[in-house]
Amino acid sequence: DIQMTQSPSSLSASVGDRVTITCRASQSITTYLNWYQQKPGKAPKLLIYGASSLQSGVPSRFSGGGSGAEFTLTISSLQPEDFATYYCQQSDSTPFTFGPGTKVGIK
Amino acid sequence: QVQLVQSGAEVRKPGSSVKVSCKASGGTFSRYTISWVRQAPGQGLEWMGGIIPIFGTANYAQKFQGRVTITADESTSTAYMELSSLRSEDTAVYLCASSPYCNSTSCYWFDPWGQGTLVTVSS
Repeated sequence: DIQMTQSPSSLSASVGDRVTITCRASQSITTYLNWYQQKPGKAPKLLIYGASSLQSGVPSRFSGGGSGAEFTLTISSLQPEDFATYYCQQSDSTPFTFGPGTKVGIK
Repeated sequence: QVQLVQSGAEVRKPGSSVKVSCKASGGTFSRYTISWVRQAPGQGLEWMGGIIPIFGTANYAQKFQGRVTITADESTSTAYMELSSLRSEDTAVYLCASSPYCNSTSCYWFDPWGQGTLVTVSS
């Protein structure tokens, strides 16, 4: 199985900050990497698919990058509604696996 | 855009089974794959398996092989996930999610999701 790791596991930031989360795969997954946002008690929401494609309706302050085994999710200017947990997920091969999550909190 | 609505919360005893449904509306059921993902309390996300309704074939994570059965009924646009031999560690929110159908795993991003079904396993 492909193992996914994320760093940091949590961070504190202020509104307006630029935030970057890193996701690493245990082997190359080309660009088969997706990002989700999850708020407490809610289902995850797809933000980015194929490493860098912005899902329809997602604000342009979210962007994704990377290829191979290292990927990033960047929020260019953190907004109050962005405080949540973020997960990466590989869709290179089954079983599809998720990273452990990065919790973005308020500083 | 397809919408997914799941069945309600369940409480089961250890050793029993549970079957959760996921009804799709607003889209063409056969043009999607449906996956099941679970999330234990305070934990991360775990893919259990998925099905392509138009083919009726399911693919399971090895961890759940033999205990999980995923099916789909095209006539009602509903997918089902049945988990047997339940134990306390299976207490979790079970979510269904759709992916666009394509010929490879590369399209397995999950959107949209159902609202989740809490399954509690307790004696």
